[in-house]
Amino acid sequence: EPEVTQTPSHQVTQMGQEVILRCVPISNHLYFYWYRQILGQKVEFLVSFYNNEISEKSEIFDDQFSVERPDGSNFTLKIRSTKLEDSAMYFCASSVTASEAFFGQGTRLTVV
Amino acid sequence: AQSVAQPEDQVNVAEGNPLTVKCTYSVSGNPYLFWYVQYPNRGLQFLLKYITGDNLVKGSYGFEAEFNKSQTSFHLKKPSALVSDSALYFCAVRKGSTGFQKLVFGTGTRLLVSP
Repeated sequence: EPEVTQTPSHQVTQMGQEVILRCVPISNHLYFYWYRQILGQKVEFLVSFYNNEISEKSEIFDDQFSVERPDGSNFTLKIRSTKLEDSAMYFCASSVTASEAFFGQGTRLTVV
Repeated sequence: AQSVAQPEDQVNVAEGNPLTVKCTYSVSGNPYLFWYVQYPNRGLQFLLKYITGDNLVKGSYGFEAEFNKSQTSFHLKKPSALVSDSALYFCAVRKGSTGFQKLVFGTGTRLLVSP
């Protein structure tokens, strides 16, 4: 069964460093998303991407964040200068239509 | 703005007994409703959805959920729980319209099924 894959599974970075989280969505999907889950809290929407542009973003997704689909298969989330409060599990998701989203296993980002 | 409430942090049930995990929602217009499950160190797995049609929807692993418009609820149920059902369950809602609408998740309910 096709699935969304994310790498790395765990990333530790120093505060102020740039990180890139990588995702390979399901191949025929058209909508791509990033969500995050701070430990013990709810899953929160960050950004959606469709037709090579951001379709919606939350207030969390400030200028420190960016997304890119550099080729036909990858979808990345970049955090330019990480802060301690960016520590969270980051989930990539994709969908064929704007209906249900299929999530990856997540990347646990730890900022020290 | 849409929101989801999962009133129970944890639900405990004995194996073989029926289980219910509660969810209520608030959204303008028609809702699209979802249940996801998260096993330890794993991502979110889609269980089932309600878009339109029959109020009782069936999903993966024997789970089902009932959409109740008057009570704005979408409770997850299973007739006979398994120990392997122990996990974190998230209810989510989005506005029912074409085009992208973000998912809004509840805080999650931990289900513990004892042998």
